[in-house]
Amino acid sequence: DAGITQSPRHKVTETGTPVTLRCHQTENHRYMYWYRQDPGHGLRLIHYSYGVKDTDKGEVSDGYSVSRSKTEDFLLTLESATSSQTSVYFCATEGDEQYFGPGTRLTVT
Amino acid sequence: AQSVSQHNHHVILSEAASLELGCNYSYGGTVNLFWYVQYPGQHLQLLLKYFSGDPLVKGIKGFEAEFIKSKFSFNLRKPSVQWSDTAEYFCAVTYNNNDMRFGAGTRLTVKP
Repeated sequence: DAGITQSPRHKVTETGTPVTLRCHQTENHRYMYWYRQDPGHGLRLIHYSYGVKDTDKGEVSDGYSVSRSKTEDFLLTLESATSSQTSVYFCATEGDEQYFGPGTRLTVT
Repeated sequence: AQSVSQHNHHVILSEAASLELGCNYSYGGTVNLFWYVQYPGQHLQLLLKYFSGDPLVKGIKGFEAEFIKSKFSFNLRKPSVQWSDTAEYFCAVTYNNNDMRFGAGTRLTVKP
């Protein structure tokens, strides 16, 4: 366990509202990742970060933005949530392997 | 685009049966290979990984996987499953340090 926490763990929001999910790690890992998990798709990479203020897009980045102002925190923002963004979101960090957080279940109604 | 295929979507076995879950990837270059397990309601945990060396990799909980480069495969095996192995299993491949692609997952149900 790499000391990864995610907040909130569950959220229900309405279409069009902004949402920010937080990932916090205590291991001082340089790389951090945001994935979404959907049935039949496994996990798909949204964005990742390779250092403070250094981020890049993943496979399914449209509609999402990220920020990393501190090593320990990686924020995922949905500027205007849509129903297609209903999913379970996992944060991960990378030491000698990828370690995953507990997940955030987001429902957009 | 690089992709990872897991051909079995749902596998149902009785306890003590042998397990083999298939995983194939599409990239012909250097890859690192992983199997993760996700127990109901929990996050992903690493079962085993292959970076180089012996293509037969042993992981936790009695799982092993074999990397066959010529077949682009990394199948997961366990000789005798237990009810507690009921979970979803994900194969993953990194094509460089920053791009991990996951298969769609295989749900394993073990009947007691």
